[in-house]
Formats: sequence, structure tokens, C-alpha cells
Amino acid sequence: AQSVTQLGSHVSVSEGALVLLRCNYSSSVPPYLFWYVQYPNQGLQLLLKYTTGATLVKGINGFEAEFKKSETSFHLTKPSAHMSDAAEYFCAVSGNNNNDMRFGAGTRLTVKP
Amino acid sequence: GAGVSQSPSNKVTEKGKDVELRCDPISGHTALYWYRQSLGQGLEFLIYFQGNSAPDKSGLPSDRFSAERTGGSVSTLTIQRTQQEDSAVYLCASRLDGSLFGGELFFGEGSRLTVL
Repeated sequence: AQSVTQLGSHVSVSEGALVLLRCNYSSSVPPYLFWYVQYPNQGLQLLLKYTTGATLVKGINGFEAEFKKSETSFHLTKPSAHMSDAAEYFCAVSGNNNNDMRFGAGTRLTVKP
Repeated sequence: GAGVSQSPSNKVTEKGKDVELRCDPISGHTALYWYRQSLGQGLEFLIYFQGNSAPDKSGLPSDRFSAERTGGSVSTLTIQRTQQEDSAVYLCASRLDGSLFGGELFFGEGSRLTVL
């Protein structure tokens, strides 16, 4: 079975500062890893995903994440926060069971002017 | 359709009543998922449909919860004898082919259920 832990239910950064949202996973099989974003009153949309290949993946809106197998991590980063990045971010993991998409509890990102 | 459509967007009901939540997936998507989103709890997997296969109901929290998918398209999640702890946002997602590991889920905007 797969599971995800997101460290920090709330993260607050200043506009222009580095964004770092942490995600650790547990999986008994090679994982597929995802970050989704949920803007206020909207559904979830995919930011980026890792399946195979390059461990540093780039997504929309300047976000990227690095798969580190030794640390079982898939942290999300963005060099410079923008006000429009304020949202809730969910990390998810899927294994070789195609219905086993498990989500973390989410991290709410606040961006201060 | 252009995206995953869910209805109603908001539902307020009294404890003990039954409710039905509807999901219309993206046309051609064979896989359909239901999740429950409670405050601070993330997304809780409820049930998964893939084509004509038997659904995976392993996430349903009690026998008051059931779901069906008619004609491989529209799905209805039914909650019988609602309880206050059922209050949450119920999210539906679809995927083009459930056998494509790592495939992206497309989410609807959710149905917010409030049980008084």
C-alpha cells in the first residue's frame, strides 16, 4: 500500500521568496508521484508528476519537484513566490495498482505581499 | 463534456435523510474515482470504477455509502441515513485509461455536503 505525509498543514512565505512544500511517501513498489493544486472554490489540477526517468520534474507556473528515492521524498519548490500561488497543494502517490492513488492531507500556502 | 461535472455543487440535508451526488466524467474516460475531502484530512479514497470491471469499494467508510456507474459513464454516489460526520466535499475524478499507470486524474469541482 502507498501513503503520503505532507509536513506542515500551513506554509506562509513572502512574495518573491522561495517556496518549499514537503512530501514524503511510503510505497512497497516503485512509486508514481504527483503534486496537485487546488485554488479557492475550484477543483484540483495537476501541477507535475514523476513516473520514470529524470528525477527533477518541472510543472506549470514555475514549480518543480525532485524525486529522491533514498529519502522517499518528493518536495515541491518554486524559486520566487507570486501572490497567485496562494492555494492548497496536495501530494499524491500511486503504485502498480492502478486504483491506488493516495493523497496527503494538503498544505495551504499563503503568500504575503 | 469539456470537464468533469458534479452536481449538486452544494447540498444541505437533515440527519437521517438520504442524498445522491452525481458525477459526469470526461467523455471517453474509462476510469472514475470518488474521494471525500474533509477539513484537514486530505483526500480520502472512496471507490473506483474501471470500465466494466467490478468496482473497488475498499474505501467506502460504511454500508450507508454506495455508488454505481451506469453505461460506463455517469456515476451516482448515494449516502443513506446521513450523519453529521458525513459533512464534507465529495470529489469525483476521471482518467482516460485506468491501466495507464501514472495517468493524470481530472477532478470536478466537488459537491459540498452539509448534514445538519
